[in-house]
Amino acid sequence: DAGVTQSPTHLIKTRGQQVTLRCSPKSGHDTVSWYQQALGQGPQFIFQYYEEEERQRGNFPDRFSGHQFPNYSSELNVNALLLGDSALYLCASSLMGYQPQHFGDGTRLSIL
Amino acid sequence: QKEVEQNSGPLSVPEGAIASLNCTYSDRGSQSFFWYRQYSGKSPELIMFIYSNGDKEDGRFTAQLNKASQYVSLLIRDSQPSDSATYLCAVDTGTASKLTFGTGTRLQVTL
Repeated sequence: DAGVTQSPTHLIKTRGQQVTLRCSPKSGHDTVSWYQQALGQGPQFIFQYYEEEERQRGNFPDRFSGHQFPNYSSELNVNALLLGDSALYLCASSLMGYQPQHFGDGTRLSIL
Repeated sequence: QKEVEQNSGPLSVPEGAIASLNCTYSDRGSQSFFWYRQYSGKSPELIMFIYSNGDKEDGRFTAQLNKASQYVSLLIRDSQPSDSATYLCAVDTGTASKLTFGTGTRLQVTL
């Protein structure tokens, strides 16, 4: 039973660029949530997707956007990258209406 | 006031001892409570969840919830060096909605 998979594992970008991160949920899950974890901090909720729609959003600017596909996989897009966007980006999947959420291995994004 | 608060540690316990990790939360509407373990450079791994007041045991781990005091704790019995990690407390105020995390407590189990 495949767990949550994320790609790529690591990514290096420069300020002003755009990035797309990808996530495939655990088999049987239909909901994907994205989190940002800065060094030494707990994960911060970015947004959640269900039925291809953004259902809930955290306190992140519009530079952060996402998408969910019919097969439940999801993408996180970040435009106009800032140095402060350097973080571990985590995808978590669950079944809508049920906890808990299970995390993928994350994508480490470094902005130069 | 932070929504979910944890002592950042490090909490140092000798091998074989009981480690006690604590977490308080501010939203009285919180319904679900989770403990995740995170090794350095890795992603969070779910180890316990609790929904009702009282204790919930799973192997060496016991989660305790007191909604009146807005307090949740994790006890690790017979601590092992492999338990050395950061433990994240997470709270869900809705139905499978966003998780709000504390900053985590770093646990060190010494030989």
